[in-house]
Amino acid sequence: NAGVTQTPKFQVLKTGQSMTLQCAQDMNHNSMYWYRQDPGMGLRLIYYSASEGTTDKGEVPNGYNVSRLNKREFSLRLESAAPSQTSVYFCASSEAGQYGYTFGSGTRLTVV
Amino acid sequence: DQQVKQNSPSLSVQEGRISILNCDYTNSMFDYFLWYKKYPAEGPTFLISISSIKDKNEDGRFTVFLNKSAKHLSLHIVPSQPGDSAVYFCAASARYNQGGKLIFGQGTELSVKP
Repeated sequence: NAGVTQTPKFQVLKTGQSMTLQCAQDMNHNSMYWYRQDPGMGLRLIYYSASEGTTDKGEVPNGYNVSRLNKREFSLRLESAAPSQTSVYFCASSEAGQYGYTFGSGTRLTVV
Repeated sequence: DQQVKQNSPSLSVQEGRISILNCDYTNSMFDYFLWYKKYPAEGPTFLISISSIKDKNEDGRFTVFLNKSAKHLSLHIVPSQPGDSAVYFCAASARYNQGGKLIFGQGTELSVKP
């Protein structure tokens, strides 16, 4: 089983460009999450989707949008990238109400 | 406002000795706590968890202790092995959080030296 798959693994953007980070899980999980990891800040929740058809803001949602395309896929979009969005982005999934997240291997994004 | 704090960015331990990683939290509504382990260029993986109704949970070499009155938890690794070298994240969740959102600490990088 692939678990949680994130694409791309690496990306360099210029300030103002847009892009979508893709995430797909094959474990039939209801809930999906997007986190960013920054030095000294740990993992911070950007957006989450408790179930198909619902999305909610996390701790740091500004500058991002999400789409829960179906039960498997949850994408994160940067409409106008800023250097402050340089980070490693992780997608995760879990059963609803369960706390054991399965994480993808991450997308390292650099905005110049 | 950091609700989950790991105040030690790094920890170095000799192989075979005990590693103790600490975590403090401020939200008294948190009722479930987890530790995740992360190797470079990989996503975090679940290690061990504890419910607020317990004060200790053990799984092989790993034990998590919870002190609710002090809002403090710790992860003990005995004996430590070089393969344990990784970043460890503490995480917490509150009962009122729909969807099981986890709040993570900043992480502690553990280095186990042979």
